[in-house]
Amino acid sequence: AQTVTQSQPEMSVQEAETVTLSCTYDTSESDYYLFWYKQPPSRQMILVIRQEAYKQQNATENRFSVNFQKAAKSFSLKISDSQLGDAAMYFCAHQGAQKLVFGQGTRLTINP
Amino acid sequence: SQTIHQWPATLVQPVGSPLSLECTVEGTSNPNLYWYRQAAGRGLQLLFYSVGIGQISSEVPQNLSASRPQDRQFILSSKKLLLSDSGFYLCAWSGVDNQPQHFGDGTRLSIL
Repeated sequence: AQTVTQSQPEMSVQEAETVTLSCTYDTSESDYYLFWYKQPPSRQMILVIRQEAYKQQNATENRFSVNFQKAAKSFSLKISDSQLGDAAMYFCAHQGAQKLVFGQGTRLTINP
Repeated sequence: SQTIHQWPATLVQPVGSPLSLECTVEGTSNPNLYWYRQAAGRGLQLLFYSVGIGQISSEVPQNLSASRPQDRQFILSSKKLLLSDSGFYLCAWSGVDNQPQHFGDGTRLSIL
């Protein structure tokens, strides 16, 4: 069975600085996707970034980028130039065979 | 563009009462559909998923059931609610082949 582990229940960062959220996973599948979702206080689940496991190049979406280490089964999220609107719960997720498995989440606080 | 609608946004029900939460998707056909539950401060747990009309897969034994009477309609039900059914319920849809899942706004269910 697939598992996703986020070892940081809470993180905080000063506005405009950079923060990295950690995620490791375990899977027996060779073809899978990895995602980071953001859940603000409104509790909507918003897709932040996705990574196809067969691609070596790390995905980037504006201020968000990932460090995908396939052999180590690590998938961290880097947020550059942090903004107050980035404050939320962040969930790492693994998708294979149509099922999405989530980590327990990291609560990110942005200090003004 | 595709949209997903989930209702109601908030529901307060007595123990032992029935439940029906509805989710509909617009702008796509034959989507994969999912129901998740999120306990307070926790990650998402997959309850049910469906790859087609009348096809339901259950991930965890529980007091709930799901149905897909139409291609873009997914219903979460219970005949008798338990206190442990309280939580935040999210519906999601995706295309085929490990496409990202897109979530509705969720239903906050409180059982009294």
